[in-house]
Amino acid sequence: EAGVAQSPRYKIIEKRQSVAFWCNPISGHATLYWYQQILGQGPKLLIQFQNNGVVDDSQLPKDRFSAERLKGVDSTLKIQPAKLEDSAVYLCASSQTHYGYTFGSGTRLTVV
Amino acid sequence: AQSVTQLGSHVSVSEGALVLLRCNYSSSVPPYLFWYVQYPNQGLQLLLKYTTGATLVKGINGFEAEFKKSETSFHLTKPSAHMSDAAEYFCAVRPNTGNQFYFGTGTSLTVIP
Repeated sequence: EAGVAQSPRYKIIEKRQSVAFWCNPISGHATLYWYQQILGQGPKLLIQFQNNGVVDDSQLPKDRFSAERLKGVDSTLKIQPAKLEDSAVYLCASSQTHYGYTFGSGTRLTVV
Repeated sequence: AQSVTQLGSHVSVSEGALVLLRCNYSSSVPPYLFWYVQYPNQGLQLLLKYTTGATLVKGINGFEAEFKKSETSFHLTKPSAHMSDAAEYFCAVRPNTGNQFYFGTGTSLTVIP
């Protein structure tokens, strides 16, 4: 089966600019997650979707981050405006059961 | 709240030696437990998981982990390290209720030829 697709792989932007990441989960996976992984740390959940509804966005900085999952398939995560501390790898994952995720390769964001 | 502790942010072993990566969790009720591996510039790949049943779990690439409830541990082992095992390893837990995973801070494994 095809994996979780993410784009772009790399992005460099200046602070205060906006950026968007895209994720296409594995076909049939109802649950989609966005994680932020800062260098040297474990992934931190930003937002979880079940189909096209938000299940958990308690750790999403809503003043600058937004995410949507139109039609319950692919998803977009946006940052506007970006800060230096947003530099990280943004990982998308999807799952069909509670037991394990499949992760995409991630988008490495550098804010300068 | 759940927490996951990985002892040792960096572990070095010689090729052919035993690999032992430590993971402890905090939970009054045993959660579901996972180990993921991350190679440079890649996403996380599931190595193995414990949900119910046998406490010794075998995963891919010769890795295995044992769930010890009394020690709240889920240490990852491999009898003989290979150069290709060099990567970042993350322990993760998922509580019995809810869908969120909690990750440890990771252990970077270096294999010395």
